[in-house]
Amino acid sequence: GAGVSQSPSNKVTEKGKDVELRCDPISGHTALYWYRQSLGQGLEFLIYFQGNSAPDKSGLPSDRFSAERTGGSVSTLTIQRTQQEDSAVYLCASSLRTSGYEQYFGPGTRLTVT
Amino acid sequence: AQSVTQPDIHITVSEGASLELRCNYSYGATPYLFWYVQSPGQGLQLLLKYFSGDTLVQGIKGFEAEFKRSQSSFNLRKPSVHWSDAAEYFCAVGARSNDYKLSFGAGTTVTVRA
Repeated sequence: GAGVSQSPSNKVTEKGKDVELRCDPISGHTALYWYRQSLGQGLEFLIYFQGNSAPDKSGLPSDRFSAERTGGSVSTLTIQRTQQEDSAVYLCASSLRTSGYEQYFGPGTRLTVT
Repeated sequence: AQSVTQPDIHITVSEGASLELRCNYSYGATPYLFWYVQSPGQGLQLLLKYFSGDTLVQGIKGFEAEFKRSQSSFNLRKPSVHWSDAAEYFCAVGARSNDYKLSFGAGTTVTVRA
């Protein structure tokens, strides 16, 4: 079946612009996660959605970052007024249930801020 | 909060030789433990996981890992590597008190030489 998809695969933007990154989770997966992978670093948790519950935004690095999940499916991560330090690969994952931990990852969006 | 250390940034191994990747974690209790692999341009794929029970865990692609509580380690092994095993490997930890956030190590890049 289809896995987690993300778009765009690459995004180059100028400093100060806003960007939107999209994630399509696996159908039926109720949990959705966003991570950031900076060069030479591990993955950094950003935000988590589970069903209709309020998202856990504790990993968002600043108020320039926000995310929403519409209809319990597609999610959009928005970065406002991008900075060069936002350059990274943004990974989305989904899982069937939170207690399962088996998160299925998308290929990521590589964001470059110039 | 839990944390993960992967001491080896880069390992080079000959095809057919054995491979061991180290992972040490810091957490006050027994965590959930995972190994993921990331091939270039790909998302992360789950290799194996430890939740409880037998401390030697078998995964996909011929990999295994052993949980050693006394050493706070969860090292990944493969008896005979293939050229296709060249990738980046991430160890991850999840707290049992919080069943969705994963903390990842910085990763180990494996190069396989012919």
